[in-house]
Amino acid sequence: KAGVTQTPRYLIKTRGQQVTLSCSPISGHRSVSWYQQTPGQGLQFLFEYFSETQRNKGNFPGRFSGRQFSNSRSEMNVSTLELGDSALYLCASSLGRAARDGYTFGSGTRLTVV
Amino acid sequence: AQSVTQPDIHITVSEGASLELRCNYSYGATPYLFWYVQSPGQGLQLLLKYFSGDTLVQGIKGFEAEFKRSQSSFNLRKPSVHWSDAAEYFCAVGADGNEKLTFGTGTRLTIIP
Repeated sequence: KAGVTQTPRYLIKTRGQQVTLSCSPISGHRSVSWYQQTPGQGLQFLFEYFSETQRNKGNFPGRFSGRQFSNSRSEMNVSTLELGDSALYLCASSLGRAARDGYTFGSGTRLTVV
Repeated sequence: AQSVTQPDIHITVSEGASLELRCNYSYGATPYLFWYVQSPGQGLQLLLKYFSGDTLVQGIKGFEAEFKRSQSSFNLRKPSVHWSDAAEYFCAVGADGNEKLTFGTGTRLTIIP
């Protein structure tokens, strides 16, 4: 079966712009989580959606938002981009209980803010 | 809140040698524990997981890990490494009622011929 698909793979944006990243989970997975990965901070949890509802949220500013659609696909949006938002953004899906089942990760979207 | 510590930032081993990567966790109850591997520019791949039962867990690619409650550890081992094992390895912990995983800072593994 198809894995977790993230698009686009690479993005270059200018400070102040906004960006939308997309994630298609494994078929049948209803939970989608997003992580930011940077060399300095490692993997940091952004948020988790389950059945179109945000179920869990990390400690990020309100510029970071997300949503999930009825087909479980998810998008995350970052507004007013800052240089420090440059990172690998990883989407991960699970059946429903990520803490117990673990995640299947996508390959990530590499965002560079200039 | 749960937390994970991977004390080794970088480890270098010779091809064919044995490997042990350390992971210590902090959590009040029995945690769910995971090891993931990440190749450069890629996402993370699940190697193995533990949530109950036998404390020695077998995973993919010949890896195994042992849960030791008394030491709050979940160390990853492999008897003989291959050059293709060079990657970054992450330990993670989860807990019921908090549907996210908390990751350690990772250990970068270098294999020398």
